[in-house]
Amino acid sequence: DQQVKQNSPSLSVQEGRISILNCDYTNSMFDYFLWYKKYPAEGPTFLISISSIKDKNEDGRFTVFLNKSAKHLSLHIVPSQPGDSAVYFCAASLSAGGTSYGKLTFGQGTILTVHP
Amino acid sequence: GAGVSQSPRYKVAKRGQDVALRCDPISGHVSLFWYQQALGQGPEFLTYFQNEAQLDKSGLPSDRFFAERPEGSVSTLKIQRTQQEDSAVYLCASSSFRGDTQYFGPGTRLTVL
Repeated sequence: DQQVKQNSPSLSVQEGRISILNCDYTNSMFDYFLWYKKYPAEGPTFLISISSIKDKNEDGRFTVFLNKSAKHLSLHIVPSQPGDSAVYFCAASLSAGGTSYGKLTFGQGTILTVHP
Repeated sequence: GAGVSQSPRYKVAKRGQDVALRCDPISGHVSLFWYQQALGQGPEFLTYFQNEAQLDKSGLPSDRFFAERPEGSVSTLKIQRTQQEDSAVYLCASSSFRGDTQYFGPGTRLTVL
């Protein structure tokens, strides 16, 4: 049973445009969400996170939106750059005191390609 | 500074062999996690250590999988009598405390023939 799902295996975007990556979850106990980026032959790198007490968190070009009622989150990258081309994973966890409880449940990943 | 390192980076084993995968976390990090990533999938949680204590091993798929962190630093994931379905990338992550950002190593790609 896949508790965190990324239904788009791939996304192709032109440089300078917006990239929107989507993620759905089924476990209503999850209350802390993260996005990781992964280049080939490297481990995942943390990008941005959001607690369920918020519906938006922004860090530079990256914004994560959380819709708790729909059990859906999205990552917006504006403007997209060729160096953003990578696999993006969303992850979910329980939280304690507003931070992740540590054990992460990942989606399957979305391959983002940003064309110059 | 030095990140999380894992060795070997690649391991080929014959079915039935035992393997040991090593993780060197970031110095001073209390928390250490192991994940298994099958081809085309996201990482799946295997086990969690806080210092030398293994607090969660709920993700270990069978009793052939064993992890240890005897001195609260380096960790080893051991797989006994490897099977083809064990073929995957094994990722290690460390964090300064349980809820903090997890920093991942590059992984060990295990191929069982």
